[in-house]
Amino acid sequence: NAGVTQTPKFRILKIGQSMTLQCTQDMNHNYMYWYRQDPGMGLKLIYYSVGAGITDKGEVPNGYNVSRSTTEDFPLRLELAAPSQTSVYFCASSRGRGRSGNTIYFGEGSWLTVV
Amino acid sequence: GQNIDQPTEMTATEGAIVQINCTYQTSGFNGLFWYQQHAGEAPTFLSYNVLDGLEEKGRFSSFLSRSKGYSYLLLKELQMKDSASYLCAVRDPARSQGNLIFGKGTKLSVKP
Repeated sequence: NAGVTQTPKFRILKIGQSMTLQCTQDMNHNYMYWYRQDPGMGLKLIYYSVGAGITDKGEVPNGYNVSRSTTEDFPLRLELAAPSQTSVYFCASSRGRGRSGNTIYFGEGSWLTVV
Repeated sequence: GQNIDQPTEMTATEGAIVQINCTYQTSGFNGLFWYQQHAGEAPTFLSYNVLDGLEEKGRFSSFLSRSKGYSYLLLKELQMKDSASYLCAVRDPARSQGNLIFGKGTKLSVKP
C-alpha cells in the first residue's frame, strides 16, 4: 500500500537555490495538501488543492508554488530558498467527502535544511 | 479565528491510563481529529469526533463536548510504543474542503 509518497526525504539547499518536492498519491483522492512543521509548532498549511487544475493558498504560502496537473501529483516548488524555509514538509491527501473522507493521510515527510 | 490548546508535554507510566486534553475555539465547528506522531515520522489518524460523547477504539478513546469546546484522548494500558506526540485538530471553516487546523501537539513519554 503506497498511499502518499514524497521525495526526497532529506535535502540540504544553499540560500537562493530552488528545488521541487515531489508528491504522489495512489488513493484517487481529490484533495491534496502541503504542510510544514517546525519544532514546537503545529502543522501549518502551505497550499492545498481540491482537484486537478485547482490550487489555493494556505496559511503560509510565501516563498512556495504548487501545481496540480493530475489527480495523483502535487509538487511543491521552493524558489530562492531562505533559512526560514528550513523545516519538515508533509504532503497529504484526503477523499474530502463524508465522515471518513475527511481523514487526512500523510506522506513520510521531507526534511529540508537551507544553509 | 481558530485556536487550539493542548499541554506541551506529559509523562505517564507503562500500564497506566493517561488523558490528553484539548480545548478549541473555532468560528464554525465541523469535527475534531486526533493524530499520533512518533518522532521523525508522519502523523497517523487515531480518531474523529463530530457529535458529543465518547468514541472507543481499542485502548484509545476520544471524547467531545461541543458546548465546552473540549476534547480529550484517553489512552489505557499504556505501552512504551505509545510514546509519541498527539495532535488535536479541527476542521478549517475557512477552507472547508477537508483542511485541518492542528494544535502544537502533546509529547507523551511513557516510562517503565
